[in-house]
Amino acid sequence: AQKITQTQPGMFVQEKEAVTLDCTYDTSDPSYGLFWYKQPSSGEMIFLIYQGSYDQQNATEGRYSLNFQKARKSANLVISASQLGDSAMYFCAMTNRDDKIIFGKGTRLHILP
Amino acid sequence: GAGVSQSPSNKVTEKGKDVELRCDPISGHTALYWYRQRLGQGLEFLIYFQGNSAPDKSGLPSDRFSAERTGESVSTLTIQRTQQEDSAVYLCASSLYRNSNQPQHFGDGTRLSIL
Repeated sequence: AQKITQTQPGMFVQEKEAVTLDCTYDTSDPSYGLFWYKQPSSGEMIFLIYQGSYDQQNATEGRYSLNFQKARKSANLVISASQLGDSAMYFCAMTNRDDKIIFGKGTRLHILP
Repeated sequence: GAGVSQSPSNKVTEKGKDVELRCDPISGHTALYWYRQRLGQGLEFLIYFQGNSAPDKSGLPSDRFSAERTGESVSTLTIQRTQQEDSAVYLCASSLYRNSNQPQHFGDGTRLSIL
């Protein structure tokens, strides 16, 4: 069965520090995609970063990078130099060839001034 | 507009009434998805469309829920005989095509409240 686990329901981080949000997944399909989305208090879902299961390098998008450890089935999101505007819910999600899309329960990130 | 558009943004209705939620995907996006997000919870996948077809309807919570898509564009999610547990934000997303490496672009959602 497919599963996404985000073990940190909430995190508090000082502004300008780096943040790592944990995500582990479980699937038997060798081909899958991993995504991170940000959901501010306003409610919209914002796509941040994507990692394919066959990608050799970790994905990066500006201050976001995905620490992909395939053998451990983890896909942690790293935010460098955190900003106050990074305060939001963050969701890890997975898709595969079975056309199932599952989201984790999310991590609420609070950036402290 | 350039993004996914959902209407209404808010809907308050009495228990037992039917509601219809609308989603306009990004132009040219062939895949369209519906999710439900209860307060403080993650996203619950409901259904997706590739073109006008919905290959998998198993995510719909009950037979009171139905969805259709026409013209490979607008989709409507209909909830019949609403119950209080249907109260949630209903999010629609679209992607260029249905593939595991395509990011989904979300609308702002419809906040549904059942009295």
